[in-house]
Amino acid sequence: GQNIDQPTEMTATEGAIVQINCTYQTSGFNGLFWYQQHAGEAPTFLSYNVLDGLEEKGRFSSFLSRSKGYSYLLLKELQMKDSASYLCAVLDSNYQLIWGAGTKLIIKP
Amino acid sequence: GAVVSQHPSWVICKSGTSVKIECRSLDFQATTMFWYRQFPKQSLMLMATSNEGSKATYEQGVEKDKFLINHASLTLSTLTVTSAHPEDSSFYICSAFPRAEGYNEQFFGPGTRLTVL
Repeated sequence: GQNIDQPTEMTATEGAIVQINCTYQTSGFNGLFWYQQHAGEAPTFLSYNVLDGLEEKGRFSSFLSRSKGYSYLLLKELQMKDSASYLCAVLDSNYQLIWGAGTKLIIKP
Repeated sequence: GAVVSQHPSWVICKSGTSVKIECRSLDFQATTMFWYRQFPKQSLMLMATSNEGSKATYEQGVEKDKFLINHASLTLSTLTVTSAHPEDSSFYICSAFPRAEGYNEQFFGPGTRLTVL
């Protein structure tokens, strides 16, 4: 079956760095998305990786290793507003989105 | 975890025809379902909020007469794209909000890829 795993919840301190991991087992791969979702709001696109390596975009970076079925989202210089759920989703060979359950990130002062 | 399904997974249709997309919550009752569109490498764009037994609430700029939403039961919402045009080609994703007090989580469907020729 198809499966996306990410931690349920993480806690970090304001100003610190946090890495949210995502492992996947899917039938085919056409890219991996990271979304940020604040409670009661629609998800916001953060990144899209289809090739191996690290993509940096400001305070956020996303890494992909297709051979390991692994990605991570790295958040630097954490701010209180970064408290949200972070969703990992993979586009499979049929271009279907397989969603992870999301990681709730709690930022403490 | 809770499961949301969509049918069909993908559809190709001719311009001018109507297409119906179903969103089902398989193991829970959903008071509220949301319909989104996603263009390549962009965020999900909320189209409308569908509440069981009442009219859908559409976001600004979304034509309610073109995108008909019906939430007839606690486990099923349908989106009908009427008189589809090539610019309606997109990835349509639904999510469901469980009917449980204090629940603050959405579960997403796998999406439906619509291509209008």
